[in-house]
Amino acid sequence: AQRVTQPEKLLSVFKGAPVELKCNYSYSGSPELFWYVQYSRQRLQLLLRHISRESIKGFTADLNKGETSFHLKKPFAQEEDSAMYYCALLSGNTGKLIFGQGTTLQVKP
Amino acid sequence: GAVVSQHPSWVICKSGTSVKIECRSLDFQATTMFWYRQFPKQSLMLMATSNEGSKATYEQGVEKDKFLINHASLTLSTLTVTSAHPEDSSFYICSARQKFFRNSNQPQHFGDGTRLSIL
Repeated sequence: AQRVTQPEKLLSVFKGAPVELKCNYSYSGSPELFWYVQYSRQRLQLLLRHISRESIKGFTADLNKGETSFHLKKPFAQEEDSAMYYCALLSGNTGKLIFGQGTTLQVKP
Repeated sequence: GAVVSQHPSWVICKSGTSVKIECRSLDFQATTMFWYRQFPKQSLMLMATSNEGSKATYEQGVEKDKFLINHASLTLSTLTVTSAHPEDSSFYICSARQKFFRNSNQPQHFGDGTRLSIL
């Protein structure tokens, strides 16, 4: 079965603290994974894709095939990082995205 | 580039009316468009996949007669919620995929969403 699991519904940290948003997946083939962010009242935006191995707004994510995980990390959280974060898996050649349940990140001052 | 426009952004209407939501790809051709439904503080639930010039493919549990999808051109798909009732109130989001999406840096480009409130 193709599935994405984000175990935490809410993650609350203080400004400057490290952040790790967990994502685990289930996929039989070679996975393509993404992190999307949705700020309050804004559209869903692509934050990271595992293929590009880039760092956006200080966030990084590494694909760990052994643990079937794609956790999103940032060493020092900022208040403007407060948003809803979705991990997503691209399903085969259909182009369908399978989304996790989402994690609300709340960065307190 | 790769902008998706969704209209209207907010609609309030009486129970029993039909509501049409438009999704346009402004600067690229979208061979496939996706329609999602999002409940407050929950994830996106894929409702259907629409391919230009053919019938939409609906996900399990989504009533195709309730949610009519038309994808008549490479830049426009519409979702019509027929005979809407309060339980249809939700946030509806469309996304569009470019023809050669594997060459793109994104598998889908998302619209701003439409908040539908049925009284």
